[in-house]
Amino acid sequence: GENVEQHPSTLSVQEGDSAVIKCTYSDSASNYFPWYKQELGKRPQLIIDIRSNVGEKKDQRIAVTLNKTAKHFSLHITETQPEDSAVYFCAASRTNAGKSTFGDGTTLTVKP
Amino acid sequence: DVKVTQSSRYLVKRTGEKVFLECVQDMDHENMFWYRQDPGLGLRLIYFSYDVKMKEKGDIPEGYSVSREKKERFSLILESASTNQTSMYLCASSLTETDTQYFGPGTRLTVL
Repeated sequence: GENVEQHPSTLSVQEGDSAVIKCTYSDSASNYFPWYKQELGKRPQLIIDIRSNVGEKKDQRIAVTLNKTAKHFSLHITETQPEDSAVYFCAASRTNAGKSTFGDGTTLTVKP
Repeated sequence: DVKVTQSSRYLVKRTGEKVFLECVQDMDHENMFWYRQDPGLGLRLIYFSYDVKMKEKGDIPEGYSVSREKKERFSLILESASTNQTSMYLCASSLTETDTQYFGPGTRLTVL
């Protein structure tokens, strides 16, 4: 089955700096790669996703890049703010798999 | 907006009790999921369902069962609760396996 590895497990940055979280996956048939943000005490919510026919996607300060050949994808957050502090999960899934496989999460702390 | 609700936010049960956790979604989603979340262990998939009356084991199904009699409702059952099942339980739903998962608010279960 699919295996997703996420790094780093914790990340601390200064406000205004950029943050990058990387995930690798094992199933070359995976074609959907979402990123979820979970603030303390709240439920995970989608912040951005990318499908395998696209190499990069941006939404304001957040971007995701996908390298299908190397089987890895990354979340980039620019101009970080304290409210970006949260746990971020990557995931991978493929058509007809029935489920997604999640990474173990990255705890991002943005210091004011 | 998609709405996923769970029957309880907090639940305290005794060892050996039968426990029912219910999840309801209002967006006619095909796929529903039950996860447990423990500190440092990310989101672990217990069971998922891709259609009414269909269910598949996830990564940690031992000690749990599920029921999906109606499309909008997915129940998690702990036949005989044990202390090691004390955890946060999150339900989620998605249109297909390659679409956004929408999470419920979670049920924090304590087994004494």
